[in-house]
Amino acid sequence: GAGVSQTPSNKVTEKGKYVELRCDPISGHTALYWYRQSLGQGPEFLIYFQGTGAADDSGLPNDRFFAVRPEGSVSTLKIQRTERGDSAVYLCASSKGDMRTDTQYFGPGTRLTVL
Amino acid sequence: AQSVSQHNHHVILSEAASLELGCNYSYGGTVNLFWYVQYPGQHLQLLLKYFSGDPLVKGIKGFEAEFIKSKFSFNLRKPSVQWSDTAEYFCAVNARSGSARQLTFGSGTQLTVLP
Repeated sequence: GAGVSQTPSNKVTEKGKYVELRCDPISGHTALYWYRQSLGQGPEFLIYFQGTGAADDSGLPNDRFFAVRPEGSVSTLKIQRTERGDSAVYLCASSKGDMRTDTQYFGPGTRLTVL
Repeated sequence: AQSVSQHNHHVILSEAASLELGCNYSYGGTVNLFWYVQYPGQHLQLLLKYFSGDPLVKGIKGFEAEFIKSKFSFNLRKPSVQWSDTAEYFCAVNARSGSARQLTFGSGTQLTVLP
């Protein structure tokens, strides 16, 4: 079946601009996660949705970052007033949301470059 | 807070050599453990996972990992590597209970297998 998809695959923007990154999870997966991966590092957690609500947004670095999942499926990560330090690969993952045996499946990521 | 350490940043092996990649985690409670692999130009894929039961788990492509609770370790092994195993390998953990479902990743180990 179809995996997690993310669009765009690459995004180049200028410092100060607003960007939106989209994630389409595996059908039927209730949990959705956003991570950020910088060069030479492992992915770092940003935010987690269970259904439509953000169950944990403790990883968002500051209030320039915001994410929504209005219908419990597709999610959009929004970054305002982008800074050069926001350049990274933004990964989305989804899972069935089982409490004890949850397995997350990752999308291909969006590579964000802030000039 | 959880943390994951992968001690080897870059490992170079010849084909048919045996592989062991170290992973240690720090967390006070019960965890789920994962190894993900990222082949060149591809997205993160699940290699294997441990939830409970037999501490020796087998994954895809001949990989296995052993959970040693007393050492807080989950090392990845393969008896004989192939050139196609060249990739970056990430160890990850999450808590088996509670509201925090996000994965905590290590910084990754780049494996290069020489033909």
